[in-house]
Amino acid sequence: KAGVTQTPRYLIKTRGQQVTLSCSPISGHRSVSWYQQTPGQGLQFLFEYFSETQRNKGNFPGRFSGRQFSNSRSEMNVSTLELGDSALYLCASSPEPGHHHEQYFGPGTRLTVT
Amino acid sequence: QKEVEQNSGPLSVPEGAIASLNCTYSDRGSQSFFWYRQYSGKSPELIMFIYSNGDKEDGRFTAQLNKASQYVSLLIRDSQPSDSATYLCAVTPHNNAGNMLTFGGGTRLMVKP
Repeated sequence: KAGVTQTPRYLIKTRGQQVTLSCSPISGHRSVSWYQQTPGQGLQFLFEYFSETQRNKGNFPGRFSGRQFSNSRSEMNVSTLELGDSALYLCASSPEPGHHHEQYFGPGTRLTVT
Repeated sequence: QKEVEQNSGPLSVPEGAIASLNCTYSDRGSQSFFWYRQYSGKSPELIMFIYSNGDKEDGRFTAQLNKASQYVSLLIRDSQPSDSATYLCAVTPHNNAGNMLTFGGGTRLMVKP
């Protein structure tokens, strides 16, 4: 079974631009979560989607948004990029919410904002 | 105070020794506890989870949970150089039925041959 895939793997953007990251979950997984990882703040929860609905949201500004499609693929968008948004963005999928022990992370998208 | 605290390390142990990694959490309502391993440049990988007080063993790994003390630990027996990585402790927030996890900052483990 293929793992979680994320595209693109690397991205360089300029401050003020916007960016869209994509995540395809493991086949059969319907819950997708997004995390931001930085050296200073560590791994922080962004949001979680299930059945095309946002179930949970972390403590991030409204510039960070996401959505989930009917095939469970998810995208996250960051508008008006700031230098501090440079991070590794990780997506994780699981069969359903609450199935933490079956949650797997993708390889991540490394975003650099200049 | 961070919700999940870990010593950042590095924790250096000789090959074959027992590595002991510790984690404390502030949310008394947390019910589930996880240990992830993250190699440099890679994504986190779940290696242990524990829900009840006590010990849980899986191969060379033992997770220990003490909810009264709000303390979780991971023991790695017969440490190998391939165990060198950052170990992340994660907990589920109180009353959260989703997949949200709160992570500690991680402890970097170095196993020296």
